Amino acid sequence: DAGVIQSPRHEVTEMGQEVTLRCKPISGHNSLFWYRQTMMRGLELLIYFNNNVPIDDSGMPEDRFSAKMPNASFSTLKIQPSEPRDSAVYFCASRQQGVNTEAFFGQGTRLTVV
Amino acid sequence: QKEVEQNSGPLSVPEGAIASLNCTYSDRGSQSFFWYRQYSGKSPELIMFIYSNGDKEDGRFTAQLNKASQYVSLLIRDSQPSDSATYLCAPGGGGSYIPTFGRGTSLIVHP
Repeated sequence: DAGVIQSPRHEVTEMGQEVTLRCKPISGHNSLFWYRQTMMRGLELLIYFNNNVPIDDSGMPEDRFSAKMPNASFSTLKIQPSEPRDSAVYFCASRQQGVNTEAFFGQGTRLTVV
Repeated sequence: QKEVEQNSGPLSVPEGAIASLNCTYSDRGSQSFFWYRQYSGKSPELIMFIYSNGDKEDGRFTAQLNKASQYVSLLIRDSQPSDSATYLCAPGGGGSYIPTFGRGTSLIVHP
């Protein structure tokens, strides 16, 4: 398996624009997590899905953020409208649901909002 | 979510020394922990998992779990410049556990 695949790797956009980040989890993994990493706040959990169903989105900072998982092999994180303070690295991770199973991370998307 | 605390550092050690990284946690029910390593500009990757009290060794790495004092540590013996990275700890758990990370400790190993 190629691992967790995220796209794009880098995104530069203007304030107010819509941004869509994409993630393909490892085949067979049924839990998917979206994180945001900044120097100030570290690695924050935004939302996670089990079997394509959003379980907890309490980490989503504002209504400008939304996430979907239409099927087991694809998820999106959307920011609309984007703001400069959204600049961060966004990671997607997946794991096979089970006791103490490892979470595997994608390479991340570095988002810069200018 | 289970919370963990880490000193953000940076922790600077000379090459060949022992680096000691610590993580404290608040949930007494936590039974297991992961240590991830994250190189600058890269994603976190798992390097150690510890379940029981005591030590677990893997090459130059030793993880220690002390449930009574609620801390978990990672020792790196004979530190190398290639060990320079941020180290993140995260509690494990049951089938539906949520990987939740501390802020990580930045380690710098200088020649």
